[in-house]
Amino acid sequence: DIQMTQSPSSVSASVGDRVTITCRASQGVTNWLAWYQQKPGKAPKLLIYAASRLQSGVPSSFSGSGSGTEFTLTISSLQPEDFATYYCQQANSFPLTFGGGTKVEIK
Amino acid sequence: QVQLVESGGGLVKPGGSLRLSCAASGFTFSDYYMTWIRQAPGKGLEWVSYISSSGSTIYYADSVKGQFTISRDNAKNSLYLQMNSLRAEDTAVYYCAGSGSFYYGMDVWGQGTTVTVSS
Repeated sequence: DIQMTQSPSSVSASVGDRVTITCRASQGVTNWLAWYQQKPGKAPKLLIYAASRLQSGVPSSFSGSGSGTEFTLTISSLQPEDFATYYCQQANSFPLTFGGGTKVEIK
Repeated sequence: QVQLVESGGGLVKPGGSLRLSCAASGFTFSDYYMTWIRQAPGKGLEWVSYISSSGSTIYYADSVKGQFTISRDNAKNSLYLQMNSLRAEDTAVYYCAGSGSFYYGMDVWGQGTTVTVSS
């Protein structure tokens, strides 16, 4: 199974800050990597697919990069509505696996 | 609009069974790959099962293999998860989620249905 490791597990940031979250895969997943945002009590929402493609309707302040085993999600300027938990997920092979999540909190 | 609505969750005793349903609307369900994903209280996301658009290919997480059965009825725009021999560790919110292209992540999600296994 491919293990997905996210770091940090939590980050405190202020509105306007740039935030970067890292996701590492235990083996290569080419670029079949997705990022999701989840707010409390809500279903996850797809932000980025194929490592760097922005899902329709997602603000351009979100961007993704990477390939192989190392990926990043960047929020260029944190907005109040961006405080949430973020998950990466590999879509390269079964079993599908998620990272442990990164909680972005208000400083 | 594009929508998935789960139902069938509830409180069940250990060893019991439940059948979850997921009703799709607003998109061509028969073109979508579908999955069940669960989230235990205060925990992260765990993939449970996958079914291809035609229903011909199915995968399960090791943690539920032989215990859960995924199925779909494209004529009824519906996805199902039959859960047997339930254990306390199956307690979670269960989401159905879909993707038009397997490699591109899951772009449609339901609101989730809660399954609680307790005596």
